Amino acid sequence: DAGITQSPRHKVTETGTPVTLRCHQTENHRYMYWYRQDPGHGLRLIHYSYGVKDTDKGEVSDGYSVSRSKTEDFLLTLESATSSQTSVYFCAISRQGAGNEQFFGPGTRLTVL
Amino acid sequence: EDKVVQSPLSLVVHEGDTVTLNCSYEVTNFRSLLWYKQEKKAPTFLFMLTSSGIEKKSGRLSSILDKKELFSILNITATQTGDSAIYLCAVTLDSWGKLQFGAGTQVVVTP
Repeated sequence: DAGITQSPRHKVTETGTPVTLRCHQTENHRYMYWYRQDPGHGLRLIHYSYGVKDTDKGEVSDGYSVSRSKTEDFLLTLESATSSQTSVYFCAISRQGAGNEQFFGPGTRLTVL
Repeated sequence: EDKVVQSPLSLVVHEGDTVTLNCSYEVTNFRSLLWYKQEKKAPTFLFMLTSSGIEKKSGRLSSILDKKELFSILNITATQTGDSAIYLCAVTLDSWGKLQFGAGTQVVVTP
């Protein structure tokens, strides 16, 4: 257990609504990441953070924004959800800094109708 | 474009068999290669490899990296039904820790 929780764990929403997913860590790690997982694609990086208020885009950032106002929380927001954003979302932390193994939260299954 | 390719995409074996999974990569900057196991939940970390030719072992699992030929293999010996999972390979691309994942290999171990 890497001390990572995600909320909600499941969510069903409608196209066009805003959605915020939360990742919370208890171990004060600097690096946090958001991924989405879809069949046939493995995991793809959406956004990452290297400190409070320090964030950057990943491979599939269109339609997503993030915020990190506290070390322990990393929020992922879908400004206007689309059906193509139906996916499983995983948050990850890197315990020993960038370039080292990442540990994943339990995931959030999001369905956009 | 950075690319990580895993093969095979899926396989079915009998308990006791040995399994070899492949991961090849083409990336601009290589820092490390990681293997994860994913059952019906979050991926769990198995190995991180940074140097060629040095085998990492954990029980019945082992892995090795070839940085000249740009690939890694993950071996599972004496497979058990609990080894059934998706095995994911990822490459660390930069100092921020960004990972490029392969699509994964689905392993099914039958009794």
